[in-house]
Amino acid sequence: AQKVTQAQTEISVVEKEDVTLDCVYETRDTTYYLFWYKQPPSGELVFLIRRNSFDEQNEISGRYSWNFQKSTSSFNFTITASQVVDSAVYFCALSEGGTSYGKLTFGQGTILTVHP
Amino acid sequence: EAEVAQSPRYKITEKSQAVAFWCDPISGHATLYWYRQILGQGPELLVQFQDESVVDDSQLPKDRFSAERLKGVDSTLKIQPAELGDSAMYLCASSFSPQGFGGTNEQFFGPGTRLTVL
Repeated sequence: AQKVTQAQTEISVVEKEDVTLDCVYETRDTTYYLFWYKQPPSGELVFLIRRNSFDEQNEISGRYSWNFQKSTSSFNFTITASQVVDSAVYFCALSEGGTSYGKLTFGQGTILTVHP
Repeated sequence: EAEVAQSPRYKITEKSQAVAFWCDPISGHATLYWYRQILGQGPELLVQFQDESVVDDSQLPKDRFSAERLKGVDSTLKIQPAELGDSAMYLCASSFSPQGFGGTNEQFFGPGTRLTVL
């Protein structure tokens, strides 16, 4: 069975600090997909990134970067120079390939608070 | 920009009453998902449709919950009777996943329906 663990329940930083959100996953499939979503106070889940299991290349998008390491089953997310607008709940999620049709298994989320 | 629509945004009901939630996915999206998110937790899949067919309802409490997507477009999730433990956010998502093509497309989420059962 697939499982996603986000060990950090809450993180609090001061604006401009860098912050890393950890994500560890479990799956028996060799083909799978990893995601990060942001949930601001409004409640809507906002897609940030998707990674497939065959692509371990790290990705950077502006102040966001992601580090995927299959050897440790981790898919960590770093925000550089954090801003108050980054305050939200962040979810890591996993979907298995094949005929699963994209069902997402989410972690419990990390609440990030960025103070001015 | 295309969005997933959900209504109502908020619903307060008393236990043992019936409630219904509506979702209109992004046009052309074949796959539709209903998730339940209890406060402080990640969303959990309740039911998944591919066009008008249910492909996964293993976590749906079928004694009280039902879901349909009759024409393969919009969908309704119903709870009857509602219980106190059903208080949660109900999220609908859709993705462009052609039949037989599994699990790669990003899911677009609606704003959710926040249900409070008194």
